[in-house]
Amino acid sequence: GENVEQHPSTLSVQEGDSAVIKCTYSDSASNYFPWYKQELGKGPQLIIDIRSNVGEKKDQRIAVTLNKTAKHFSLHITETQPEDSAVYFCAALGSGGSYIPTFGRGTSLIVHP
Amino acid sequence: DAGITQSPRHKVTETGTPVTLRCHQTENHRYMYWYRQDPGHGLRLIHYSYGVKDTDKGEVSDGYSVSRSKTEDFLLTLESATSSQTSVYFCAISGLAGGGYNEQFFGPGTRLTVL
Repeated sequence: GENVEQHPSTLSVQEGDSAVIKCTYSDSASNYFPWYKQELGKGPQLIIDIRSNVGEKKDQRIAVTLNKTAKHFSLHITETQPEDSAVYFCAALGSGGSYIPTFGRGTSLIVHP
Repeated sequence: DAGITQSPRHKVTETGTPVTLRCHQTENHRYMYWYRQDPGHGLRLIHYSYGVKDTDKGEVSDGYSVSRSKTEDFLLTLESATSSQTSVYFCAISGLAGGGYNEQFFGPGTRLTVL
């Protein structure tokens, strides 16, 4: 089955800096890669996703890049703000038509004012 | 807002008692899921449903059962709760016809404490 590794587990940055979270996956047939943000006491919220036919996708201050050859994808947050502080999860799915995601263990992002 | 509610939002119960958690969706998604979230383990799939009365096990299904008698409701039952089932439980949905088929949306969670 699919295996997703996520790094780092904790990331601390100053407000205004950029933050990068990286994930690797094992199944080359996976074709959909979502990122979720989970604020304290809430459920995970889909913030951006990318499909295997695209190398990069941006939405304001966040972007996701995908390297299919190396089987890794990354979340980039620019100009971080304190409200970006949360736990971020990556996931991979789609191999063989599967609709069940395999999640990374999560990254706790702390943005210091 | 994907229209997912979970009830109850918080519950404290005693070891050995049965517990049922409810997930309700209003947007006709085909697939529904139950996850548990524990420190150091991320999100782990308990059971999922791919249609009314169609369910299957996830990676941590022991001690849990589910039922889906109609599209909008997915119930998770702990037949005899144990302290190891103290966790935060999340329901999720995906598979909206005509929409992003893979996109998964989560409910607000239920915090369960088993004493």
